[in-house]
Amino acid sequence: DIVLTQSPDSLAVSLGERATINCKSSQSVLYGSKNQNYLAWFQKKPGQPPKLLMYWASTRESGVPERFSGSGSGKDFTLTIGRVRAEDVALYYCQQYYSIPWTFGQGTKVEIK
Amino acid sequence: QVQLQESGPGLVKPLQTLYLICSVSGDSISSGGHFWNWVRQRPGRGLEWIGYVDYSGSAYYIPSLRSRVSMSVDTSQYQLSLKLQAMTAEDTAVYYCVRSYFYDTTGDHPRGPFDHWGQGKLVTVSS
Repeated sequence: DIVLTQSPDSLAVSLGERATINCKSSQSVLYGSKNQNYLAWFQKKPGQPPKLLMYWASTRESGVPERFSGSGSGKDFTLTIGRVRAEDVALYYCQQYYSIPWTFGQGTKVEIK
Repeated sequence: QVQLQESGPGLVKPLQTLYLICSVSGDSISSGGHFWNWVRQRPGRGLEWIGYVDYSGSAYYIPSLRSRVSMSVDTSQYQLSLKLQAMTAEDTAVYYCVRSYFYDTTGDHPRGPFDHWGQGKLVTVSS
């Protein structure tokens, strides 16, 4: 199984500052023939279902603010929140859909400092 | 607008069988352009993918649950179902049904991102 390890487990940022969350995969999730990274990012708030933010590692889902961006390839990925707003307080998960079983990272909690 | 809605019991006794239904609106389960997943989140823990079922009823379950779980589709009713037998306290969780769009395959399995989630159904196992 592919193991996704996120870092840090939690981070506190000031409003308007940048937040960076890392996701490291135990195996590459890059499908070379299509040049696609089979990795997604989700935002999870209490009492709500996860919300898709990014897929193919760097494609922003429709309606997701531009302050959210994804980068990386192969085994190392990053979700960046450009200027954190109060409504960004949540848990963030990466997830791979490259190889069954699909797996999630353990989550990163973003709080306001 | 695609909507998924889970329904079923909120309380199950130990060793009983859980049946959850996911009602889908705004999409055709039988189109083949998507496949359907169940994901759970146990208290204080992360997200755990349980398995998928496609429009034809082909399914995959994670090994740790394979002996107790089954998934099915009823295209005429626009519904998916999850059956989990021999429930224990370890199965207490919020259960989500999730749509993936079909992008390609790996081996015998479809692949694609999870793009729509139901609101989730909290299921507690307790006597």
